[in-house]
Amino acid sequence: NAGVTQTPKFRVLKTGQSMTLLCAQDMNHEYMYWYRQDPGMGLRLIHYSVGEGTTAKGEVPDGYNVSRLKKQNFLLGLESAAPSQTSVYFCASSSHQGDINQPQHFGDGTRLSIL
Amino acid sequence: EDQVTQSPEALRLQEGESSSLNCSYTVSGLRGLFWYRQDPGKGPEFLFTLYSAGEEKEKERLKATLTKKESFLHITAPKPEDSATYLCAVRTYNQGGKLIFGQGTELSVKP
Repeated sequence: NAGVTQTPKFRVLKTGQSMTLLCAQDMNHEYMYWYRQDPGMGLRLIHYSVGEGTTAKGEVPDGYNVSRLKKQNFLLGLESAAPSQTSVYFCASSSHQGDINQPQHFGDGTRLSIL
Repeated sequence: EDQVTQSPEALRLQEGESSSLNCSYTVSGLRGLFWYRQDPGKGPEFLFTLYSAGEEKEKERLKATLTKKESFLHITAPKPEDSATYLCAVRTYNQGGKLIFGQGTELSVKP
């Protein structure tokens, strides 16, 4: 069972470079999320999507863009990487069935270093 | 402002030594409280959802409880394989289904 798959697992960038992180889920979930995790800060929501073709800003969206062209994929882009974006990035997905409180399922993360 | 605080930040136990982790929350309207386990180099793994005060959930050596202001994760007779970071998160009615995470408690169980 694949669940949520993130690629790449590791990446080192130079300041100013751009890159795209890919998240794919095979659970037919409507909702998808991008978080960053930093020491002492907990998980913070960057952007999220409630369905194909929709995106919305989370708590820390600046410097990132996202796209959800297909239901199973959620892309996170860094247009001009900065050292402050060095972090571990997690993608998550969840289903939504009315008011039923569905948990989010996470991938294993992308470890990104910006030099 | 909605807020989630976990304590302690780190906890070291001997195998078999039971203890509890705390998750305190200040939110305008609780829709659900979630516990996750995170192993080093891995993503969070879902453990429990609690919805209302007085509710309890159990899984092996773990038991989660909920009051109106906090949740506890009780670990009974822990084993070394229970070592991990435990994360608490809340979902509120005014956050559009988004989760607010605490900073986590790093649990280490020594044999």
